[in-house]
Order: sequence, then C-alpha cells, then structure tokens
Amino acid sequence: KAGVTQTPRYLIKTRGQQVTLSCSPISGHRSVSWYQQTPGQGLQFLFEYFSETQRNKGNFPGRFSGRQFSNSRSEMNVSTLELGDSALYLCASSLGQSGTGELFFGEGSRLTVL
Amino acid sequence: AQSVTQPDIHITVSEGASLELRCNYSYGATPYLFWYVQSPGQGLQLLLKYFSGDTLVQGIKGFEAEFKRSQSSFNLRKPSVHWSDAAEYFCAVGAYGGKSTFGDGTTLTVKP
Repeated sequence: KAGVTQTPRYLIKTRGQQVTLSCSPISGHRSVSWYQQTPGQGLQFLFEYFSETQRNKGNFPGRFSGRQFSNSRSEMNVSTLELGDSALYLCASSLGQSGTGELFFGEGSRLTVL
Repeated sequence: AQSVTQPDIHITVSEGASLELRCNYSYGATPYLFWYVQSPGQGLQLLLKYFSGDTLVQGIKGFEAEFKRSQSSFNLRKPSVHWSDAAEYFCAVGAYGGKSTFGDGTTLTVKP
C-alpha cells in the first residue's frame, strides 16, 4: 500500500509570494492533518480535514488555509509568505473517523522563504 | 488543554546500552499515546501506541513503552541500542479531529 505522498519535497519562495502544498493520503484514509515543524517551535498543528470538512484548526493566522477534495487528497496554501514561514510542512493521514488514532506521515515539504 | 513534556532534549548512549526516553502528558481523560521517530529530513514514523489494556506495549524495532497513569508517564525503552536508532523521538497525545499534541522531541545520539 502506498504511503502518504507530499509534493513538492523542496521549494524556495520569496517574501510576499504564495505557495500551495499537496498531500495524497494512504488509500482509504479520510482524515488528513497538517503540521508545521520548525527548530524553535517544534511540531505545531495547522488543521485537519475529514470528508472535505475542516474539523479542527490550530492557532495560525488566516494566511494559512487548506482544503480537501472528494478523493481525500488535500492541499494547504500559505499566502503573503513571511520569513518565519520557512519550515518543514508535514501531512499525516489517519484511518479512524475520530482522528484520535495513529498518524501516518509523509516525508514533508521543505519550504524556504527568502 | 492537553500537553506533552519530554524532559530530555538530547541523550547520548553507547551502542549496546539500554535506553529510556521520558514522556509526561497532561490530558483530562484516558489518553491515546504514541511514540514516533524521525530521521533527518524525513517524516515521522510510528514506533508504538497505547489506547487501552495492557500498560506495557511493544512496538517496532525492539522498542517498548509503559503507560503509568499514576505518574502520567509513557516512557520509551529499548534494551540494547543500535547505531541506526540515532534519530529524534517524539511522544504524542492523540485527540479528536486529528489534533495530536507532540512533545518537543528528544534527540538520540549513539556512540560506537
């Protein structure tokens, strides 16, 4: 069974630009979560989608948004990029409807903002 | 609000020695607890999980963890560390809606 696939793996943007990251969950998984990982803040929860609905959201500004499609694939978008948005963005999928179960992570998208 | 504390930022052990990584959590109900491992530049991989039942759980790569409700702890152990175990380890509490809370991680260095 294929794992969680994130694209692109690496990208470089400049301040003020926007970026879209993509995540394909494991087949059959309907819950997709996004996390931001930085050396200073660790792993921080961005949001979670289940059956195309955002169920939960972390404490990030409105510049961070996401969506989920009917095939469970998810995208996240960051607009008006800031230097502090440089991070590893991790997507995770989960099988359970409650979302409390184990998370299966992709390898992440490494975003560098110059 | 739930929280996870990993008191040790960095641990160094010799290859073949035993390992224990500490994790303390704060959660209002019976927690869903996890340990994940992350190699440099990679995503996180689940090592083991605790939902209920037996408080000693076995995971992959020879790891085990013990849930102690009275101490709010879920420490990770391995009897004999291999050089390939060098990585960063995260303890996490699962919650509804995919909002898991992670500790800050413990970096494990293995000396030859």
